[in-house]
Amino acid sequence: QQQVKQSPQSLIVQKGGISIINCAYENTAFDYFPWYQQFPGKGPALLIAIRPDVSEKKEGRFTISFNKSAKQFSLHIMDSQPGDSATYFCAASTYSGGSNYKLTFGKGTLLTVNP
Amino acid sequence: DTGVSQNPRHKITKRGQNVTFRCDPISEHNRLYWYRQTLGQGPEFLTYFQNEAQLEKSRLLSDRFSAERPKGSFSTLEIQRTEQGDSAMYLCASSSSGRGYTFGSGTRLTVV
Repeated sequence: QQQVKQSPQSLIVQKGGISIINCAYENTAFDYFPWYQQFPGKGPALLIAIRPDVSEKKEGRFTISFNKSAKQFSLHIMDSQPGDSATYFCAASTYSGGSNYKLTFGKGTLLTVNP
Repeated sequence: DTGVSQNPRHKITKRGQNVTFRCDPISEHNRLYWYRQTLGQGPEFLTYFQNEAQLEKSRLLSDRFSAERPKGSFSTLEIQRTEQGDSAMYLCASSSSGRGYTFGSGTRLTVV
């Protein structure tokens, strides 16, 4: 059972455009929703994260929108740049005891920003 | 910037051989995680340590897999009798509190 569904699988945008990646989750116990950016040959790097008590969080060009009732959240990248070309993963976690905050990841979105 | 260090970066092994990977977390981090990532997929949780105690193991971690974190510092992940299905990127992550992980660059295992 895939607990976090991510779409689209791949995305191509022009430089300066807006990139939008969507995720939906099933487990209502999830209470932390991060987005990770991964470049080839590197581990994922935390980009931005949100908790369900807010509907939006913005950090620079990156914004998370969160809809608790729909169990959906999305990443918006404004003014997309070629350097943003990477694979993006949404994830979710809940406290599972012993201070373990294990993450459940989506399958990823390969973003290509054309110059 | 010390970051999370993983060694080796790449490992090619023959089916049936044993392999061991090492992870050196950020020194002040007491939580350490192992994840596995296959091509085209997101990372999947394998196991978690708080200090030296292994507190949770995924069902993905068969009895051929063992992880240790002696003295709550570095960690090792050993795979015995490797199978082709073990080919993946093995990622280590650490954190000091809450949920902000720092991942290493991973060890890519290829079983031939």
